Amino acid sequence: AQKITQTQPGMFVQEKEAVTLDCTYDTSDPSYGLFWYKQPSSGEMIFLIYQGSYDQQNATEGRYSLNFQKARKSANLVISASQLGDSAMYFCATRLSGGYNKLIFGAGTRLAVHP
Amino acid sequence: NAGVTQTPKFQVLKTGQSMTLQCAQDMNHNSMYWYRQDPGMGLRLIYYSASEGTTDKGEVPNGYNVSRLNKREFSLRLESAAPSQTSVYFCASTQGDRGSGANVLTFGAGSRLTVL
Repeated sequence: AQKITQTQPGMFVQEKEAVTLDCTYDTSDPSYGLFWYKQPSSGEMIFLIYQGSYDQQNATEGRYSLNFQKARKSANLVISASQLGDSAMYFCATRLSGGYNKLIFGAGTRLAVHP
Repeated sequence: NAGVTQTPKFQVLKTGQSMTLQCAQDMNHNSMYWYRQDPGMGLRLIYYSASEGTTDKGEVPNGYNVSRLNKREFSLRLESAAPSQTSVYFCASTQGDRGSGANVLTFGAGSRLTVL
């Protein structure tokens, strides 16, 4: 069965610094994808970035990049030049087996950006 | 564009009462999902609908029923609410019905349900 582990319940970072949020996954599917979502205090779920297991390069989206290490089964999110608006919960997710884009999520990491 | 719209945003129920959470998407997506979010946990899949006319159980379906009314709408019903169903409920949708490529899920704003 798939599993997502986020071991950092809370993190803080100084504004303009970079921060890495950890995510490890367990899946037996030969082809899979990793997602990161942001949940600000307002509650909505915002998609940030996606990495497919066969993608050759690490995914990047603006200030977000994914440090994908397949052998270690890790897909860490790197946020560069942190901003106060980055303060939020961050969830890593992957697809459950059986298709249909069913996602399984980690417990999340709460990031606080300090001025 | 509205995206995924959930109603109501907040609801308080007494144990044993029933209610339906409504969800509608205007993106012509095929697949729709209901998740619940509890403190300290990530989102957990309750039910999903891969396409119009089909529904199937997710990780935590007990105590819930769903209806895919048409391509746009997917409702979640609690027949006899229990305090353990106090949670934030999210509806989501995506274009594809098979896991390939990104097929990013778009989420609604959430519905906060309290069962006393």
